[in-house]
Amino acid sequence: GQQLNQSPQSMFIQEGEDVSMNCTSSSIFNTWLWYKQDPGEGPVLLIALYKAGELTSNGRLTAQFGITRKDSFLNISASIPSDVGIYFCAGFGAGNNRKLIWGLGTSLAVNP
Amino acid sequence: GAGVSQTPSNKVTEKGKYVELRCDPISGHTALYWYRQSLGQGPEFLIYFQGTGAADDSGLPNDRFFAVRPEGSVSTLKIQRTERGDSAVYLCASSMTSSEQFFGPGTRLTVL
Repeated sequence: GQQLNQSPQSMFIQEGEDVSMNCTSSSIFNTWLWYKQDPGEGPVLLIALYKAGELTSNGRLTAQFGITRKDSFLNISASIPSDVGIYFCAGFGAGNNRKLIWGLGTSLAVNP
Repeated sequence: GAGVSQTPSNKVTEKGKYVELRCDPISGHTALYWYRQSLGQGPEFLIYFQGTGAADDSGLPNDRFFAVRPEGSVSTLKIQRTERGDSAVYLCASSMTSSEQFFGPGTRLTVL
């Protein structure tokens, strides 16, 4: 099925570093969601974005809905070991508010 | 706990058998979703319920898959004549709005 282009695929960073990951689409999206998934768990919603240009923070996390409505990024500042996990972007395309379309995930490893 | 719960957490079955996977959504959430997730992939949409009715079942891979939500709360995903390719983590999510979906921990299905 349709997927978002999410990058990077994986990251290995030192504790305290900032992290940035992004998602792009060839078509317009109305909503962008960022999830984190730990092994053996379901995805946990981190941030939801609803308007083009919207910049939203949740603690050390900041996400933006791109102006073109075809991209979004997630930044994590001052990473800590518990940030380890897989981060997924997901969104609803224009005219479809039922099926979430997902990226393939960014696997984050943090070296303490 | 107020989150989405899924049972069983793990299910091992033999090829050709029938299985049922259960999802208890967050109380009051009218929308319920089933997804399937393979290793290294994002969740793949299967079916969406609004209340008791399946509003969109276009993600069900074939007629061996069926889901019900008879009272608009608990849902059961049913798989007949299981195949090895059905092995995956089956995730359930619920939501009040059409956007923010909250996931359960998933059921890991292994078909031998």
